[in-house]
Amino acid sequence: NAGVMQNPRHLVRRRGQEARLRCSPMKGHSHVYWYRQLPEEGLKFMVYLQKENIIDESGMPKERFSAEFPKEGPSILRIQQVVRGDSAAYFCASSLFSRGLAADTDTQYFGPGTRLTVL
Amino acid sequence: EDKVVQSPLSLVVHEGDTVTLNCSYEVTNFRSLLWYKQEKKAPTFLFMLTSSGIEKKSGRLSSILDKKELFSILNITATQTGDSAVYLCAVETGGYNKLIFGAGTRLAVHP
Repeated sequence: NAGVMQNPRHLVRRRGQEARLRCSPMKGHSHVYWYRQLPEEGLKFMVYLQKENIIDESGMPKERFSAEFPKEGPSILRIQQVVRGDSAAYFCASSLFSRGLAADTDTQYFGPGTRLTVL
Repeated sequence: EDKVVQSPLSLVVHEGDTVTLNCSYEVTNFRSLLWYKQEKKAPTFLFMLTSSGIEKKSGRLSSILDKKELFSILNITATQTGDSAVYLCAVETGGYNKLIFGAGTRLAVHP
């Protein structure tokens, strides 16, 4: 059973360009979470999605950032007009359920991350 | 505001030593506390703790939760160089499993 897949693993963009980060959840998982990790900091929640629905985007900047999880295909985190401060590692996680019951089936499993560098 | 604080931020030990990593939290609507190990890639799941005083063990790693004092510890006995990593503590909160992470403890185990 393949784990959470993310691509690309490394992405370099110039200021003003767009960055597209992709995440394929574990097989059977329909809940996806995106986190950002700045250097020397912990992971910060950005957005939680189910298929075709954004459930909670409270951690995502209001401008330039968007996320989607279509019926078919991977989840996409899109950053428009990137700035140097967007340089970070972006991690995706998936879970089987997300019921807030602290159950093993709700455990989030992480992908290897995409390291975005903005020049 | 929900927060999770880990200490120490970094730790250097020699192989064979025992280490204790700390995690304290202040959150509304606590569901569970999780520990992850992060090497230069994906954080890998270690433990999920929901009940006070019940120790979870996996090999040389163990962890326990105190819901009254709002903290957890992660113990690693007989450390090995392969234990070198950042250890992340996260608290699950809210109506779904939203995770609030601490900044991590960077552990370096020297031969």
